[in-house]
Amino acid sequence: DAGVIQSPRHEVTEMGQEVTLRCKPISGHNSLFWYRQTMMRGLELLIYFNNNVPIDDSGMPEDRFSAKMPNASFSTLKIQPSEPRDSAVYFCASSLGSSTTFEVVAASREQYFGPGTRLTVT
Amino acid sequence: KNQVEQSPQSLIILEGKNCTLQCNYTVSPFSNLRWYKQDTGRGPVSLTIMTFSENTKSNGRYTATLDADTKQSSLHITASQLSDSASYICVVSSGYSSASKIIFGSGTRLSIRP
Repeated sequence: DAGVIQSPRHEVTEMGQEVTLRCKPISGHNSLFWYRQTMMRGLELLIYFNNNVPIDDSGMPEDRFSAKMPNASFSTLKIQPSEPRDSAVYFCASSLGSSTTFEVVAASREQYFGPGTRLTVT
Repeated sequence: KNQVEQSPQSLIILEGKNCTLQCNYTVSPFSNLRWYKQDTGRGPVSLTIMTFSENTKSNGRYTATLDADTKQSSLHITASQLSDSASYICVVSSGYSSASKIIFGSGTRLSIRP
């Protein structure tokens, strides 16, 4: 298996532009997580899907951020409009999980992270 | 407030030496604790996971300990290798309900010198 695939690996955009990050989870995994990592704040969980349904989006910073999972093999994280403070590395992770309970899935099942997308907003 | 604090922030040791990284948490109720290794430019990779009832777990040259009473964990690396150079992140999961959270430490940056 190729692991979790993210695209693009690097994205540079101007403030105000729309940015779309993409993720393909490991085949057979039914839980997907979006994280953001910065030097100042470390890793932060943004949103979590189970069986394509958003379960916990309390980490999404504001309305400019939105995430979708139209099917089991694809998810997007969109920022519109982007701002310089959105500059970070965005990770997607997937895991096996059969429960909708966030903790059961996120805590007890190993998450496999993608290589990340480095976003720079100028 | 749920917090996870790691120390030191950074550490440099010579190849072959041992080292210990610390993680203190104030998370309640506690569910489990993970240590991740993150190589530069890559996503984190899970090293160990421990629940409340476990106080030690090994993964090769990595040994994690957990003291649930003092809310402390350590990651001990034996006979360090150049490939151990990475950031090590302590992650604590809280609770068993849909309102449970994952709290990340800020990580320890470990550099192994030849």
